[in-house]
Amino acid sequence: EDKVVQSPLSLVVHEGDTVTLNCSYEVTNFRSLLWYKQEKKAPTFLFMLTSSGIEKKSGRLSSILDKKELFSILNITATQTGDSAIYLCAVEATSGTYKYIFGTGTRLKVLA
Amino acid sequence: DTAVSQTPKYLVTQMGNDKSIKCEQNLGHDTMYWYKQDSKKFLKIMFSYNNKELIINETVPNRFSPKSPDKAHLNLHINSLELGDSAVYFCASSQDINPPSGYYQETQYFGPGTRLLVL
Repeated sequence: EDKVVQSPLSLVVHEGDTVTLNCSYEVTNFRSLLWYKQEKKAPTFLFMLTSSGIEKKSGRLSSILDKKELFSILNITATQTGDSAIYLCAVEATSGTYKYIFGTGTRLKVLA
Repeated sequence: DTAVSQTPKYLVTQMGNDKSIKCEQNLGHDTMYWYKQDSKKFLKIMFSYNNKELIINETVPNRFSPKSPDKAHLNLHINSLELGDSAVYFCASSQDINPPSGYYQETQYFGPGTRLLVL
């Protein structure tokens, strides 16, 4: 059965800390892995990863994919209170039928 | 066992046709959503229902009409399909603690998506 598992489920840090969020997956016919930041309404797109070992960066956020070990990490450096959110990982797969599999998210709270 | 399910997963149709996408959640959640994922993978919220009542209706053409027969189902009907409607549509649900106004930051559980292609 296809699945996406995120860890930790929740995390509380102080401003300035660096955090690493994990997303592991087991799917057939992997196509891509996406990271979203969910605050209020629609989750905000962060990264799409398709190739191993190529780091994607956007400001203090970065992400990398390991297709051999089947996981991705999302790093946030120098965290700010505005980084508090639920971070969702989703894997696009074409295992017999096209679909996305979402993880249940990591809830990050950054304290001032 | 699936928490949020959508049917169909693929939909290929001609311009001008009318089509529906169904969504069901078995999580007992009160709130359901429809999102459109654009070509850049951005998720744009279209509608949200809480206990069968419409609480979010973003700027979406009138050709899109959601229907919630009960709080476990939120269907999306699209009339007179256009080429620009081609996208992946996601259904999601969450257990909001402070409905219907605003959002409490609860995890949304997403369906597998429906890939719509309008020819």
